[in-house]
Amino acid sequence: DAGVTQSPTHLIKTRGQHVTLRCSPISGHKSVSWYQQVLGQGPQFIFQYYEKEERGRGNFPDRFSARQFPNYSSELNVNALLLGDSALYLCASSLAGGHQPQHFGDGTRLSIL
Amino acid sequence: SQQGEEDPQALSIQEGENATMNCSYKTSINNLQWYRQNSGRGLVHLILIRSNEREKHSGRLRVTLDTSKKSSSLLITASRAADTASYFCATEIIQGAQKLVFGQGTRLTINP
Repeated sequence: DAGVTQSPTHLIKTRGQHVTLRCSPISGHKSVSWYQQVLGQGPQFIFQYYEKEERGRGNFPDRFSARQFPNYSSELNVNALLLGDSALYLCASSLAGGHQPQHFGDGTRLSIL
Repeated sequence: SQQGEEDPQALSIQEGENATMNCSYKTSINNLQWYRQNSGRGLVHLILIRSNEREKHSGRLRVTLDTSKKSSSLLITASRAADTASYFCATEIIQGAQKLVFGQGTRLTINP
């Protein structure tokens, strides 16, 4: 079975631009979460979506938005990019309910020039 | 903000030795999970321990959880070169969203 897939793998943007990152969860997983991982640190929670609804968001500005589609895939959008947005963006999917491990994709490496 | 603190930040041992990593956290948790990350890759789930459990084993991995001290440890026995990676503890918190709060990780290097 395919794992979580993310696209693109790498992206270079300039300040002020916007970006869309995509994620396809494991088949049967209805929950998708997004994390930002700055070099040398642990991932930080951005959003969780379940059944196409936002379940919660972390401490990120409104420039960050996301959505989940009927097939449970998801997009993360970031507007007005800043240098500090350079990071590895990770998508994770899981089964519903608590005590479920999250399955991560390999991420999108975003570099802002 | 990071909830967890991992200790040590970096660990280098010889192949065959045991590696122990520690994690402390601040708030009440639903469970605690350990993940491995190879350089530039995504995170791989290793083991999940619920808040009402004290110890769990999976192959060469042993995890303990002490909720009174808000701490956990991960023991990797008989280490191999392939165990070289960063290891993160993550606490699952249910606040509307089901989110993982990660520590900063321990960089483990296994020398052949």
